Amino acid sequence: GAGVSQSPRYKVAKRGQDVALRCDPISGHVSLFWYQQALGQGPEFLTYFQNEAQLDKSGLPSDRFFAERPEGSVSTLKIQRTQQEDSAVYLCASSLVRAGYSNQPQHFGDGTRLSIL
Amino acid sequence: SQKIEQNSEALNIQEGKTATLTCNYTNYSPAYLQWYRQDPGRGPVFLLLIRENEKEKRKERLKVTFDTTLKQSLFHITASQPADSATYLCALPFTGTASKLTFGTGTRLQVTL
Repeated sequence: GAGVSQSPRYKVAKRGQDVALRCDPISGHVSLFWYQQALGQGPEFLTYFQNEAQLDKSGLPSDRFFAERPEGSVSTLKIQRTQQEDSAVYLCASSLVRAGYSNQPQHFGDGTRLSIL
Repeated sequence: SQKIEQNSEALNIQEGKTATLTCNYTNYSPAYLQWYRQDPGRGPVFLLLIRENEKEKRKERLKVTFDTTLKQSLFHITASQPADSATYLCALPFTGTASKLTFGTGTRLQVTL
């Protein structure tokens, strides 16, 4: 497709369950970012990939959060043993070139709204 | 620590007027600043990027200024329309890295007839 695609759009899970969120970036985009957005707040950085390499994971809130991009295209954000505070919208963004090279804008998907009961 | 402030209160203006949104930052010396638009239930959409050596940038009805002395960016929408109603986010790169953006909380703009 022409844009960043995320699935599922909505996910409801019980506390303690594991979840996996998928991101299909724009084809050919080198950089991929994951953000967490709480209600009424701006997106907060979680992690960054350049192709398949995870270059920055400083924003991941705990070791329950894990992200991968094994072939440098599709990425998955996994949350293990979910807790209620994990409820948020998870946004994926991609950009054409490696971050910092030419200050490229980021193209966002519409996010996955995660609700932990 | 680095901090971005946007007016958290909604901005209500009448159609045809100019909307002005503010983004203030502290403890930053960003090389650039970006503005995004976000509609309910959707991801942010990039609007404009302005670099530190640029005072002003325009795109159609949009104008952004960047004052590195005041540490402030202003975002203007002229001849506003109800379709401009959305939340507008400013974003800057984390100091010391160009790999990630930090976003403000956004300002919701409501344009009424």
